[in-house]
Amino acid sequence: QSVLTQPPSVSGAPGQRVTISCTGSSSNIGAGYDVHWYQQLPGTAPKLLIYYNSNRPSGVPDRFSGSKSGTSASLAITGLQAEDEADYYCQSYDISLSGPHVVFGGGTKLTVL
Amino acid sequence: QVQLQESGPGLVKPSETLSLTCTVSGGSISSYYWSWIRQPAGKGLEWIGRIYTSGTTNYNPSLKSRVTMSVDTSKNQFSLKLSSVTAADTAVYYCARGVYGGNSEYFQHWGQGTLVTVSS
Repeated sequence: QSVLTQPPSVSGAPGQRVTISCTGSSSNIGAGYDVHWYQQLPGTAPKLLIYYNSNRPSGVPDRFSGSKSGTSASLAITGLQAEDEADYYCQSYDISLSGPHVVFGGGTKLTVL
Repeated sequence: QVQLQESGPGLVKPSETLSLTCTVSGGSISSYYWSWIRQPAGKGLEWIGRIYTSGTTNYNPSLKSRVTMSVDTSKNQFSLKLSSVTAADTAVYYCARGVYGGNSEYFQHWGQGTLVTVSS
């Protein structure tokens, strides 16, 4: 069980909009730590999609957007395309006795119908 | 463009120590945070720990007792040792460069990953 909770799967038809939630707690997202998102295509390393809650690296289409509120964050994908079919992970910090450390969500598999 | 490449044995016996090295090219290893992240087959990502080029380390509390990281700036490499491995440590291991600032850290550059299997 991951510290950050994501739905195991979401799906949508081409052209539609889907959102993926990332729910945390007062020891991570709710503590003010930023959230980042990654896309992982089958057999490849994760790719940074969104950083600092809502920023897109160069080359990431503006169809991808992120937001954060309270103890949760969301990734939205508009104009769904077949190539978006992948696993998506959120990532943040969590507080521990030894200091903040990196935590990931369990991942969400996006299926394009 | 910075590139990272993991290397090390693909098969490790139970109770032994897993050792991996990440070689950084296309840029200096200095003044960055470098992490190890792993992913068991069909499962999610797990952060193992990070090392700064000064040698300062931070480890995942769940793995801390078994993890040691080191850095060799002269070779542009950093390394991971995970002791007393079991089948549960079988995973693809990634090295990544952390961008640290604000209220978090994210990973923009990743290695391609290397599969390590723990089996006798």
